[in-house]
Amino acid sequence: AQKVTQAQTEISVVEKEDVTLDCVYETRDTTYYLFWYKQPPSGELVFLIRRNSFDEQNEISGRYSWNFQKSTSSFNFTITASQVVDSAVYFCALSLDNYGQNFVFGPGTRLSVLP
Amino acid sequence: ETGVTQTPRHLVMGMTNKKSLKCEQHLGHNAMYWYKQSAKKPLELMFVYNFKEQTENNSVPSRFSPECPNSSHLFLHLHTLQPEDSALYLCASSPAGERSSIRFFGPGTRLTVL
Repeated sequence: AQKVTQAQTEISVVEKEDVTLDCVYETRDTTYYLFWYKQPPSGELVFLIRRNSFDEQNEISGRYSWNFQKSTSSFNFTITASQVVDSAVYFCALSLDNYGQNFVFGPGTRLSVLP
Repeated sequence: ETGVTQTPRHLVMGMTNKKSLKCEQHLGHNAMYWYKQSAKKPLELMFVYNFKEQTENNSVPSRFSPECPNSSHLFLHLHTLQPEDSALYLCASSPAGERSSIRFFGPGTRLTVL
């Protein structure tokens, strides 16, 4: 069975600090996708990134960066120079297929960025 | 990529009421989903529709009844709900092709059952 663990339930940082959100996944499949979603207080889950299991290159998008390491089954998310608007719940997720129920969300990490 | 809308955004209903949640997407996506998000529980997949056909029913009680009249619209009919059904109900859709594994979510309906 698939599982996604986000050990950090809540994190608080002060604006402009860097913060890393941890994600550890479990699967026996060799082909899978990993995701990060952001859920601001408005409730909508916003898609941030998808990474497939064959692409271990790290990715940077503005202040966001992702570190995918198959050796440790981790897909960590770093926000550089955090801003108050980054305050949200962040979910890591794992998918084995396209449309089915093999799409598992982690429990989420609540990030509070204080001014 | 936004474009999944849900109505109403908030709903309060009694246990004997019948109501419906509506989801709409005009992104050309062919798969649509209902998720339930309760406090302190992971997101739970409820139903999956692919090209209007229900492909997954994740052991959801019969008091929740989905309907997908076309690939752009998805409904969740509610009747005789329980207070523990109070949650955020999220609709999502997925495109065909290379991005089919990505779920795009609507803003959700916050449901309170009294």
